[in-house]
Amino acid sequence: DARVTQTPRHKVTEMGQEVTMRCQPILGHNTVFWYRQTMMQGLELLAYFRNRAPLDDSGMPKDRFSAEMPDATLATLKIQPSEPRDSAVYFCASGGRQDTEAFFGQGTRLTVV
Amino acid sequence: GNSVTQMEGPVTLSEEAFLTINCTYTATGYPSLFWYVQYPGEGLQLLLKATKADDKGSNKGFEATYRKETTSFHLEKGSVQVSDSAVYFCALMITGNQFYFGTGTSLTVIP
Repeated sequence: DARVTQTPRHKVTEMGQEVTMRCQPILGHNTVFWYRQTMMQGLELLAYFRNRAPLDDSGMPKDRFSAEMPDATLATLKIQPSEPRDSAVYFCASGGRQDTEAFFGQGTRLTVV
Repeated sequence: GNSVTQMEGPVTLSEEAFLTINCTYTATGYPSLFWYVQYPGEGLQLLLKATKADDKGSNKGFEATYRKETTSFHLEKGSVQVSDSAVYFCALMITGNQFYFGTGTSLTVIP
């Protein structure tokens, strides 16, 4: 059963610490998305990769956030330094050929205290 | 630009009631349209989709029809169950797998 895997599922960290979230997209998918979900803002697109190249990261605060795909099986989202306002659930999703849906991971619930 | 507007929530219904959640979109080109569902503590799951005008997506008793003339993709179910309580997201996809999501509509079904 193919699925998008995100780690960790939960993370509590202190303000100022670095946070790294990982995502393993479905094998063979060539698009990867990072979303942030909060009660106030809903679902926000942070970054979008195709064939490991970033196509759109305009939704991401550049001063503290970075997203990369070191290889086709791993996407990372880093926050350094983290702030309380970064507390949210971060979802990774992957997609294949055009006209197929995006498959979402279970999310990483981040709490910055 | 591309965007999705969906009905504000929360929506509370009694079991076996009829459900409609409105969704309208603006898009350049010819998008595919989706409804996703999010159960508490989980990620979004695809509920149904339609890839061209007049297509009807259906799954688990839910239906939505891609209406190009009204740029709408309203979600309907004839008889809701308690287990349908979740947050529902309307979304569109344009060329290149770029997705745009609505803000989500929370549904609570009471026995």
